[in-house]
Amino acid sequence: KQEVTQIPAALSVPEGENLVLNCSFTDSAIYNLQWFRQDPGKGLTSLLLIQSSQREQTSGRLNASLDKSSGRSTLYIAASQPGDSATYLCALTRASGSRLTFGEGTQLTVNP
Amino acid sequence: DTAVSQTPKYLVTQMGNDKSIKCEQNLGHDTMYWYKQDSKKFLKIMFSYNNKELIINETVPNRFSPKSPDKAHLNLHINSLELGDSAVYFCASSQELGTGNTIYFGEGSWLTVV
Repeated sequence: KQEVTQIPAALSVPEGENLVLNCSFTDSAIYNLQWFRQDPGKGLTSLLLIQSSQREQTSGRLNASLDKSSGRSTLYIAASQPGDSATYLCALTRASGSRLTFGEGTQLTVNP
Repeated sequence: DTAVSQTPKYLVTQMGNDKSIKCEQNLGHDTMYWYKQDSKKFLKIMFSYNNKELIINETVPNRFSPKSPDKAHLNLHINSLELGDSAVYFCASSQELGTGNTIYFGEGSWLTVV
């Protein structure tokens, strides 16, 4: 059974800092991995999707990496801004279907 | 111009009542989902429909019954509500069933059972 863990559960950084959010998973047989952002009282917004065959994806100040052999993915946020404050969740899909398994999320606060 | 919209956003109801949450997507997607987010913020899939056909049905009490009148709509009906049903319910959609597709979520429906 796939388990997804995100550490830390909460992170507070000053504005402008580069930061890394971690996601680890127990079963390396994944098809793709997505990073989502959840704002308080809002739904989830997909940030990046990495296919199993890919090592990383980039979108603006965000870079997500995937290392299946070690069961890890990281989300790198460059030059963080207060507007980046949100909960970030990673989620995995197995090859057999579109069921997503989510981690608990990392609550990020970027202080001005 | 919301891609995935669900109503109501907030719902407070008494134990034992029956309630429905509606979901609509205007993305032309074939697949729709219902997820439940518990107090620990874990998101778990409940149901998945592809072209109005039930594909995924996780271990969910049969008090929960999804209905898909067409592929743009997936409603969730809950009978005999219990305190433990209090959670945030998210509707989502993707282009097609299977992996490799970005999933788009609605803004969530906050259900509180008192």
